[in-house]
Amino acid sequence: GENVGLHLPTLSVQEGDNSIINCAYSNSASDYFIWYKQESGKGPQFIIDIRSNMDKRQGQRVTVLLNKTVKHLSLQIAATQPGDSAVYFCAEIRTGNQFYFGTGTSLTVIP
Amino acid sequence: GAVVSQHPSRVICKSGTSVKIECRSLDFQATTMFWYRQFPKQSLMLMATSNEGSKATYEQGVEKDKFLINHASLTLSTLTVTSAHPEDSSFYICSASTGESYNSPLHFGNGTRLTVT
Repeated sequence: GENVGLHLPTLSVQEGDNSIINCAYSNSASDYFIWYKQESGKGPQFIIDIRSNMDKRQGQRVTVLLNKTVKHLSLQIAATQPGDSAVYFCAEIRTGNQFYFGTGTSLTVIP
Repeated sequence: GAVVSQHPSRVICKSGTSVKIECRSLDFQATTMFWYRQFPKQSLMLMATSNEGSKATYEQGVEKDKFLINHASLTLSTLTVTSAHPEDSSFYICSASTGESYNSPLHFGNGTRLTVT
């Protein structure tokens, strides 16, 4: 199966600093990507999405960058806040609207 | 926004019993629902894709006789873990798609923590 047996990398940042979370995806045919935030004991929440015809998209305090050449996706969070502490997953979407999640990164914001 | 409700949020059962988990789309019709499994500190693993009125499509390595999926209506899908064993203990999450267009965000339930003793 996809992404089985992989343990989460961690990232710690100081409150107010910017965070960059990276994700490598596997299928060059995937044409839609989403970043999700998952707090402990809850399901993933949508943060921002990007389609393959774009290389950058900005939201409120978040920016997603897509590099199709190297199959890499990143999420930038500006002025990170304690409430941003969570696990962040990228998802690539393939034919049939099937979502496959990346390994995930556990973000801890230090007050 | 679209809301997906999952029930129960936690369940403890004895080895050998079966457990049913419900996933409901509250304010939209979900033509497709997905079931994921998540182990502690790991990513979500897609188990199966469920389309209303048809048989679920299971991912490789997922036993369809072990994890029974029923998608009887456009707002309800159920996952039944049959003859549960301790290794089935996990966090199960469902998600739903409106199917309005290809490439639309999935809406997730809050998951079910299954513990098999």
